[in-house]
Amino acid sequence: DAKTTQPPSMDCAEGRAANLPCNHSTISGNEYVYWYRQIHSQGPQYIIHGLKNNETNEMASLIITEDRKSSTLILPHATLRDTAVYYCIVSPYGGATNKLIFGTGTLLAVQP
Amino acid sequence: DAGVIQSPRHEVTEMGQEVTLRCKPISGHNSLFWYRQTMMRGLELLIYFNNNVPIDDSGMPEDRFSAKMPNASFSTLKIQPSEPRDSAVYFCASSQDINYGYTFGSGTRLTVV
Repeated sequence: DAKTTQPPSMDCAEGRAANLPCNHSTISGNEYVYWYRQIHSQGPQYIIHGLKNNETNEMASLIITEDRKSSTLILPHATLRDTAVYYCIVSPYGGATNKLIFGTGTLLAVQP
Repeated sequence: DAGVIQSPRHEVTEMGQEVTLRCKPISGHNSLFWYRQTMMRGLELLIYFNNNVPIDDSGMPEDRFSAKMPNASFSTLKIQPSEPRDSAVYFCASSQDINYGYTFGSGTRLTVV
């Protein structure tokens, strides 16, 4: 069962901010929002995760709405190397039962 | 830190043969995951281990697939006998128990002819 909804594809101009939306309207109180990306022919790469507060690291920012039903991943200055499939996943945090189920993601194409 | 190491990178085998994929997780990580990726089905979780114990193997497609983790530094995924529909990229990932994030290996591209 799909827990998240993402647009299948997006374009972004190089140097501009890329804003990738994700809808997770059925998220439970103990579920975190995770973002991963997969560059062609490579394994997925962890980007960021959060519960309800906005998060920022060296790669991206994660903005979660107050009702937690949607979120946005922001790449502040997209480069050509950011072209990848971006996956938004919701999952309980920690413990031996934690597992990540990947959906179809958003193909972000950064244009020169 | 060499990351998650998978071998071989590429495997071509004939239908009916046994295939063994190998994974070395990051030292100190106590959870290990096997995924399979195809164009048709995307990334599928096959099985995962915590502290070397299989926790959930509900994603293993059929009895031809088996996975083991004899110690904290090694895991195998075996397919016997292999079939053409098993052709895919198989990824191994590991994480610490608090799941700061999974680290994936580079994958094994399996082709069964």
